[in-house]
Amino acid sequence: GAGVSQTPSNKVTEKGKYVELRCDPISGHTALYWYRQSLGQGPEFLIYFQGTGAADDSGLPNDRFFAVRPEGSVSTLKIQRTERGDSAVYLCASSGGQGTSEQFFGPGTRLTVL
Amino acid sequence: KQEVTQIPAALSVPEGENLVLNCSFTDSAIYNLQWFRQDPGKGLTSLLLIQSSQREQTSGRLNASLDKSSGRSTLYIAASQPGDSATYLCAVTTNAGNMLTFGGGTRLMVKP
Repeated sequence: GAGVSQTPSNKVTEKGKYVELRCDPISGHTALYWYRQSLGQGPEFLIYFQGTGAADDSGLPNDRFFAVRPEGSVSTLKIQRTERGDSAVYLCASSGGQGTSEQFFGPGTRLTVL
Repeated sequence: KQEVTQIPAALSVPEGENLVLNCSFTDSAIYNLQWFRQDPGKGLTSLLLIQSSQREQTSGRLNASLDKSSGRSTLYIAASQPGDSATYLCAVTTNAGNMLTFGGGTRLMVKP
């Protein structure tokens, strides 16, 4: 597609459940990023992929969070045993390469944990 | 650790005014700086990208400057319009990695 897409746009789940959030980057972009944005704040980095490998996962808050990008295109962010504090907008971005490339963002997935 | 600060946090101006949004960062070793616009409930739209070797970038009524040594960037919006109302975010990519570090944003309201 023309831009970054994310599904679902909204996800409501109960505390303790498992969720998967999907990101489709811009075709041909090798770099993919996940960020999390809480209400009234700027996005915070979670994880960065270069191709299929996680080049930097230093932003993942704990081991309940995991992300994959098995074929170097679509990525899935997985959250186990969700907690109310996980409620946020999860944003995905992609870029054409390392360092100097502009990042383009998807519309985000709003996750609400009840 | 890189920290990015945006001042003011909120701004309300009458239509037609020229305005300046400020962004500062603590670590001057950056690759680039991006300014984004975010409408309520939406994702981020990239407005301008300034490489570390550049001093400014322009797009239409927008002009962004970068003073890397002092750790500052400004976004200048000329002849503001109600449609410019949104949250504006600046973010930097540092030498330590490729992720963006964001400021908290400036929430702009342009009144007709």
